[in-house]
Amino acid sequence: DQQVKQNSPSLSVQEGRISILNCDYTNSMFDYFLWYKKYPAEGPTFLISISSIKDKNEDGRFTVFLNKSAKHLSLHIVPSQPGDSAVYFCAAIVGDKLIFGTGTRLQVFP
Amino acid sequence: DTAVSQTPKYLVTQMGNDKSIKCEQNLGHDTMYWYKQDSKKFLKIMFSYNNKELIINETVPNRFSPKSPDKAHLNLHINSLELGDSAVYFCASSPWGTSGSVDEQFFGPGTRLTVL
Repeated sequence: DQQVKQNSPSLSVQEGRISILNCDYTNSMFDYFLWYKKYPAEGPTFLISISSIKDKNEDGRFTVFLNKSAKHLSLHIVPSQPGDSAVYFCAAIVGDKLIFGTGTRLQVFP
Repeated sequence: DTAVSQTPKYLVTQMGNDKSIKCEQNLGHDTMYWYKQDSKKFLKIMFSYNNKELIINETVPNRFSPKSPDKAHLNLHINSLELGDSAVYFCASSPWGTSGSVDEQFFGPGTRLTVL
């Protein structure tokens, strides 16, 4: 039973355009969400987070939006750069642990 | 300076063997974790330790035994390896939040275990 879902396994975006990565969750009790970025042969690295008391959090080119009623969050990257090509994991904090989605592979092409 | 390091990076072994993966963090964090990323790329928590004490123990076979000799180390020992144990294992650490909740986690580079 997957509580955090990323339904798009891959996304391809042209450099300079916006990348939108989506994540859905099933448990309305989740109250803190994170996005991680992962390059091949490396561990995930923390990117940005959002608490359920907010609906938006921005950090440079990265913005995360949270829609609690729809149990949906999205990560916007603008403008996208080739170095953003990686796998992006959405995660929710539940008690003491992180529950990860399956990831979306983003490819930014010139 | 590597914040969270794991050894070995690759491990190829035969079924039935016993192997260990080591993890060390130099971030001064209180909490450490082991995750398994399976063939479907699903990252799932296995264990977590806070100040050398077991906090989370998900439904993992008894063949997997974590050991935390001190706050900076969390090793994973696997007995009687099976084909299905083949995966990438990630160690992570995090500070313990002031509310007692989990903060963002810092991951090691992963150990790719292949059981033949």
